[in-house]
Amino acid sequence: QLQLQESGPGLAKPSETLSLTCTVSGGSISSSSYYWGWIRQPPGKGLEWIGSMYYSGSTYYNPSLKSRVTMSVDTSKNQLSLELSSVTAADTAVYYCARTPRYYDITTGYRPGQYFDYWGQGTLVTVSS
Amino acid sequence: QSALTQPASVSGSPGQSITISCTGTSSDVGIYNYVSWYQQHPGKAPKFMIYDVSKRPSGVSNRFSGSKSGNTASLTISGLQAEDEADYYCSSYTRSSTWVFGGGTKLTVL
Repeated sequence: QLQLQESGPGLAKPSETLSLTCTVSGGSISSSSYYWGWIRQPPGKGLEWIGSMYYSGSTYYNPSLKSRVTMSVDTSKNQLSLELSSVTAADTAVYYCARTPRYYDITTGYRPGQYFDYWGQGTLVTVSS
Repeated sequence: QSALTQPASVSGSPGQSITISCTGTSSDVGIYNYVSWYQQHPGKAPKFMIYDVSKRPSGVSNRFSGSKSGNTASLTISGLQAEDEADYYCSSYTRSSTWVFGGGTKLTVL
């Protein structure tokens, strides 16, 4: 059974960089069939897609966050990582990692699929001084 | 990119059917059949319920169904049960190769 587990500091200071890790178990992050993504949810609010990444390096980022987001994969540890720089209180949220199928689009080539089928439990990050 | 528009809340009695709408634009919902739906109980991670507008993943009850007309997708839950009380989110792939979610709808089972 595939499991995803987010981890990282629960508190970040304004202007600093938030760093989170998602550990995948029960499956390989190097699978050719999947991309891996981050989605966040501010307290009491809706979901926001942050970005998706293929293990070999292809990335897709939310344009509204692109200048501050870096995603990476460590295949030796079966982990996906997220860095979000220059955080403010508006970045306070539960951060989820999730799996999405790799999809072949005849116009754009391979890309992340249209849905997220497995999710981690999420980790709350609070931005506060 | 703007979030998809969902009603803040819907309600229904056990056994009834309800429908949750999800309105986007011709750059997302209207152009692709790539709408998905997620159920989220309080304090829990979202659960994948519907994909490609109307397809159900293995293990999801056939009481859940999806459809789309123009720029609006819909999730219908029939035979409403107490356990269906949750927040529901729609999502769509967009022309910009990004993914957008709706603001969420709180379903109350009366």
